[in-house]
Amino acid sequence: GENVEQHPSTLSVQEGDSAVIKCTYSDSASNYFPWYKQELGKRPQLIIDIRSNVGEKKDQRIAVTLNKTAKHFSLHITETQPEDSAVYFCAATDSSASKIIFGSGTRLSIRP
Amino acid sequence: DVKVTQSSRYLVKRTGEKVFLECVQDMDHENMFWYRQDPGLGLRLIYFSYDVKMKEKGDIPEGYSVSREKKERFSLILESASTNQTSMYLCASAPRGTGIYGYTFGSGTRLTVV
Repeated sequence: GENVEQHPSTLSVQEGDSAVIKCTYSDSASNYFPWYKQELGKRPQLIIDIRSNVGEKKDQRIAVTLNKTAKHFSLHITETQPEDSAVYFCAATDSSASKIIFGSGTRLSIRP
Repeated sequence: DVKVTQSSRYLVKRTGEKVFLECVQDMDHENMFWYRQDPGLGLRLIYFSYDVKMKEKGDIPEGYSVSREKKERFSLILESASTNQTSMYLCASAPRGTGIYGYTFGSGTRLTVV
């Protein structure tokens, strides 16, 4: 079945700098890759997603890239702000596209 | 505008008790899911359902069962709670074709088994 690996598990960056979180997946049939942000004590919320027919997608300070050949995808946050502090999860669909498999999460801390 | 509601935010139960976690969604979604979240392990799928009275095992179904008698409600049942089931439980729903759309999560139930 699908396996999603996420790195790093923790990340601390200076406010204003960029943050990058990387994920790999195992199932070449996966075609949808969402990213979730979970603030302390809150539910995970979808922040951006990318489909397999697209290599890059941007939404203001957030961007995702997808390399289907290498089976890896990344989240890029530019000009980080204190409110970016949270746990971020990458995910990928399984081969049947019936459910989403999550990575283990990255705790991002923004230093003032 | 809460769309996925979990009945309890915090729950404390004794070992051996039968525990019911309830989840209700008002978006008319076909698919519903139960995950548990543990530090360093991410979100692991326990059970999911594509439709009323249908259920499928996820990655860690042992010790759990589910019930979906109505489209909007998906219940997770711990037949005999054990301390290793202490965790955060998250319910999610999605329209048919989950590969195309992301999930909407509930706020979670933090269960402690003593």
